[in-house]
Amino acid sequence: ETGVTQTPRHLVMGMTNKKSLKCEQHLGHNAMYWYKQSAKKPLELMFVYSLEERVENNSVPSRFSPECPNSSHLFLHLHTLQPEDSALYLCASSQDSGAWGETQYFGPGTRLLVL
Amino acid sequence: AQKVTQAQTEISVVEKEDVTLDCVYETRDTTYYLFWYKQPPSGELVFLIRRNSFDEQNEISGRYSWNFQKSTSSFNFTITASQVVDSAVYFCALSENDYKLSFGAGTTVTVRA
Repeated sequence: ETGVTQTPRHLVMGMTNKKSLKCEQHLGHNAMYWYKQSAKKPLELMFVYSLEERVENNSVPSRFSPECPNSSHLFLHLHTLQPEDSALYLCASSQDSGAWGETQYFGPGTRLLVL
Repeated sequence: AQKVTQAQTEISVVEKEDVTLDCVYETRDTTYYLFWYKQPPSGELVFLIRRNSFDEQNEISGRYSWNFQKSTSSFNFTITASQVVDSAVYFCALSENDYKLSFGAGTTVTVRA
């Protein structure tokens, strides 16, 4: 596999469920990102990890919990979500989050529907 | 305030027509980076180009070309001889002084056969 992969590609969950989104990058990068893309809204940065340490938490509700066990893997744990959390969740990676103007490479996203 | 403005919400063209996507940005920094990404219906954002503020040379890559004008704070993107596979949402983004990307709202391009 090359680039950035995400699983699952589609997810439907009830408000009381717990699920996890997985992202894996095969680019040898040190930084990983979670974005939320809702209809009619610009992409919203949620979390940033650099060398497995969280460097950004963009006022995201606690029902979203990220985890970065190593520089190649990033998870987003979901629990007690709301219907307004339905969106496309995109993972990205870059060589280094500390460097300025780094190109971010994105995965295909997980399309989440909360019922 | 919106840092990146893509005024065109949707553009529809017939195959082989040229299409130009506008991007206007706002920054007080003298050094910054600009990006274009393509998002096909599959969802993945595909990186197209990165340009730093000191390099105002226009760039051409196959049917794609970019026109960077610092004087008007614009970084426009042209697809020449469009094809159906060019149908996608195109995003312009700005990176000012760290890793964060400020994305525009995107322009949906539909190329009809």
